[in-house]
Amino acid sequence: DAGVIQSPRHEVTEMGQEVTLRCKPISGHNSLFWYRQTMMRGLELLIYFNNNVPIDDSGMPEDRFSAKMPNASFSTLKIQPSEPRDSAVYFCASSLVPGGSNYGYTFGSGTRLTVV
Amino acid sequence: SQQGEEDPQALSIQEGENATMNCSYKTSINNLQWYRQNSGRGLVHLILIRSNEREKHSGRLRVTLDTSKKSSSLLITASRAADTASYFCATDTSGTYKYIFGTGTRLKVLA
Repeated sequence: DAGVIQSPRHEVTEMGQEVTLRCKPISGHNSLFWYRQTMMRGLELLIYFNNNVPIDDSGMPEDRFSAKMPNASFSTLKIQPSEPRDSAVYFCASSLVPGGSNYGYTFGSGTRLTVV
Repeated sequence: SQQGEEDPQALSIQEGENATMNCSYKTSINNLQWYRQNSGRGLVHLILIRSNEREKHSGRLRVTLDTSKKSSSLLITASRAADTASYFCATDTSGTYKYIFGTGTRLKVLA
């Protein structure tokens, strides 16, 4: 298995532009998580899905952020419009059971977003 | 907000020595996990310990859990330069299905 695949690896965009981050979870995993990592705030859980359904989006910082999971093999995190304070590394992770209660998460390599 | 706080924030040791990192959390948990993150990379799952377990081993890793003190420790024995990374604990609060990560310990193992 190729693991959790995120694209792009790096994204540089201008303030106000729309940004779409993509994630392909491990086949067979039924839970998917989006995290954001910054030096100041550490790792923050933004949203998680179970069986393609958003279960908890309380970590999504603002209405500018939205996430979708149209099928079991694909998820997107969109920021519109982007702001400099959104600059961070965004990680996607997947797990076999809800919340990884029996197994750990498998993380992707992350997308480093820079908004200028 | 952070559920877990790791201590120390940074640790520097010589190769061959043991490294101990601690994690304290605030609310009751079902499970606690430890992850490693190499610079510029994603997190890698190391070990999971359930709330009814007190100790768990995996290779050179030993994890303990004290639910009465709401704390866990990760011991890496006979450390190697390749163990240089940040280590995070993650907890799932009872009744939820999501893991919240701590602040991390930066470990540097000097060759």
